Amino acid sequence: EAGVAQSPRYKIIEKRQSVAFWCNPISGHATLYWYQQILGQGPKLLIQFQNNGVVDDSQLPKDRFSAERLKGVDSTLKIQPAKLEDSAVYLCASSLGGLQISYEQYFGPGTRLTVT
Amino acid sequence: DQQVKQNSPSLSVQEGRISILNCDYTNSMFDYFLWYKKYPAEGPTFLISISSIKDKNEDGRFTVFLNKSAKHLSLHIVPSQPGDSAVYFCAASGGSGKLIFGQGTTLQVKP
Repeated sequence: EAGVAQSPRYKIIEKRQSVAFWCNPISGHATLYWYQQILGQGPKLLIQFQNNGVVDDSQLPKDRFSAERLKGVDSTLKIQPAKLEDSAVYLCASSLGGLQISYEQYFGPGTRLTVT
Repeated sequence: DQQVKQNSPSLSVQEGRISILNCDYTNSMFDYFLWYKKYPAEGPTFLISISSIKDKNEDGRFTVFLNKSAKHLSLHIVPSQPGDSAVYFCAASGGSGKLIFGQGTTLQVKP
């Protein structure tokens, strides 16, 4: 079974530029998550999708961050414009979802973003 | 407001000995707890979990203990192996599937 795929793996941009990350979850997984992990901290949830609907985006800085999950499969996370404090690893995860809550999430390798 | 805390940033253990990683939480509504392991340049991988209705769950060399009254959980690895060297995150959920992660503990197992 293929795991969660993410691209790019690394990205370096200047502040005020824009950037987009892509995620392809495990086939059949209804729930998709985007996390931000700043160095020395644990992953922090940015947004959670159930199929193509948003379940939780309470910690997404909506003035600069946006995310979408078209057709309930792939997802993109965009930052526009980027700030220095956005430097972090952006992790995508997926879980079975559905009617029963599934706590176990499967993570992709992440995208390391450096904003200069 | 850190709802899940791992107060030890690092731990060093000799191969073959026991590793004990600790985690504290503040929210009494959390009802499910998980441990993840992370190697450099990889995403976290699920290790073991425990429901709040239990106080212990065992899987091979890994055992998680939950003390609800103290709002504390721990991960025991016995015996520790060099391949266990990684960052360990504890995470908690309040029923929505959303996970709140601790800051992580870096475990080094010395041969």
